[in-house]
Amino acid sequence: SQELEQSPQSLIVQEGKNLTINCTSSKTLYGLYWYKQKYGEGLIFLMMLQKGGEEKSHEKITAKLDEKKQQSSLHITASQPSHAGIYLCGADGREYGNKLVFGAGTILRVKS
Amino acid sequence: EPEVTQTPSHQVTQMGQEVILRCVPISNHLYFYWYRQILGQKVEFLVSFYNNEISEKSEIFDDQFSVERPDGSNFTLKIRSTKLEDSAMYFCASSDQGQSYEQYFGPGTRLTVT
Repeated sequence: SQELEQSPQSLIVQEGKNLTINCTSSKTLYGLYWYKQKYGEGLIFLMMLQKGGEEKSHEKITAKLDEKKQQSSLHITASQPSHAGIYLCGADGREYGNKLVFGAGTILRVKS
Repeated sequence: EPEVTQTPSHQVTQMGQEVILRCVPISNHLYFYWYRQILGQKVEFLVSFYNNEISEKSEIFDDQFSVERPDGSNFTLKIRSTKLEDSAMYFCASSDQGQSYEQYFGPGTRLTVT
């Protein structure tokens, strides 16, 4: 099974709609990281969550880490075309080592 | 805002040739990483580097790969004898602390091996 499972694999939403992307780890985490990638480009750091139950927001993007530190959700409110891209979750932890392990990504398209 | 830079943005090379991919991490960062992403696949860890030595490497990072910090600013990845399957985007990342601190990624070098 995958170490980090992301769902959905892809998502098409109408501009203005809310959406949620999930990331589930098979191992306990030290940190859960959300990045955004445009196709063929680098990864842009969005947020890092470390504490169970932690929630962080940046503009219209909110991410939460559950109490057991094995699942995170990324929520976008009132989506805009600028939100389109690939959202990647990454994790590190005792069992993952001093590196980031990434999920397969969620492709988000926002229709105007 | 400080950022990680990488050169070249695109490198085309023939199978069997040596390539060196260059990165300039954020200046006060101490931990450096290389990742790669084969087209359509996940971002995969290659190697981490701290205090002038490799701290961890993946099974992908075999004897054909090496890393170096030749001076106070550059961090390089060398592939000695490229194979077709080395074609990928290679990302450099840096962080100011180790585990559980955000890593900042460069824009990547697209390596095409023909």
